[in-house]
Amino acid sequence: DGGITQSPKYLFRKEGQNVTLSCEQNLNHDAMYWYRQDPGQGLRLIYYSQIVNDFQKGDIAEGYSVSREKKESFPLTVTSAQKNPTAFYLCASRGQGNYEQYFGPGTRLTVT
Amino acid sequence: RKEVEQDPGPFNVPEGATVAFNCTYSNSASQSFFWYRQDCRKEPKLLMSVYSSGNEDGRFTAQLNRASQYISLLIRDSKLSDSATYLCVVNMGRDNAGNMLTFGGGTRLMVKP
Repeated sequence: DGGITQSPKYLFRKEGQNVTLSCEQNLNHDAMYWYRQDPGQGLRLIYYSQIVNDFQKGDIAEGYSVSREKKESFPLTVTSAQKNPTAFYLCASRGQGNYEQYFGPGTRLTVT
Repeated sequence: RKEVEQDPGPFNVPEGATVAFNCTYSNSASQSFFWYRQDCRKEPKLLMSVYSSGNEDGRFTAQLNRASQYISLLIRDSKLSDSATYLCVVNMGRDNAGNMLTFGGGTRLMVKP
């Protein structure tokens, strides 16, 4: 099946630890995005990548890092510098020539 | 002012009712508009795109008013399964390729038997 996968579904970490969230797509989409959603709030853009080996900061990039070494993969690292990392993290992708984005199932990160 | 604004609700309606949501956006240069549906603790899923002429998909009708900068979603004959949060999404065109989406906070709909 074609789609976007994110793993793990739930992730628990201690404060001060870096953690990497996985996002993989087999839709042959060029653009990929990472969003964060907090309870009762809208999605906020963390980072995006329009092509392999290139990525740009979104609205709330501080405390996060990404890489885009392969078209299919766009992992997000939540570093210890992120002050409030507990949130629902969503990865999305978009095909060339389209504006719609399609989402993976998300990773719910809890940092204590 | 938020870039994309929605009434958070919740809208509590009985089965079979017609319900309408509105959404306003701040950037008059916005070109593309969408409604996404998000179930509790799940990812958003594209419900429909919104075209200038308005468009309909079964029980769902979306309309765009560029002059007033608002988008609407009408759901007819509500089903229990329509209970979800509906996200208004606008392409603000802020990246080099003009492909950035801005999400409203969502409107929660609860359809009761």
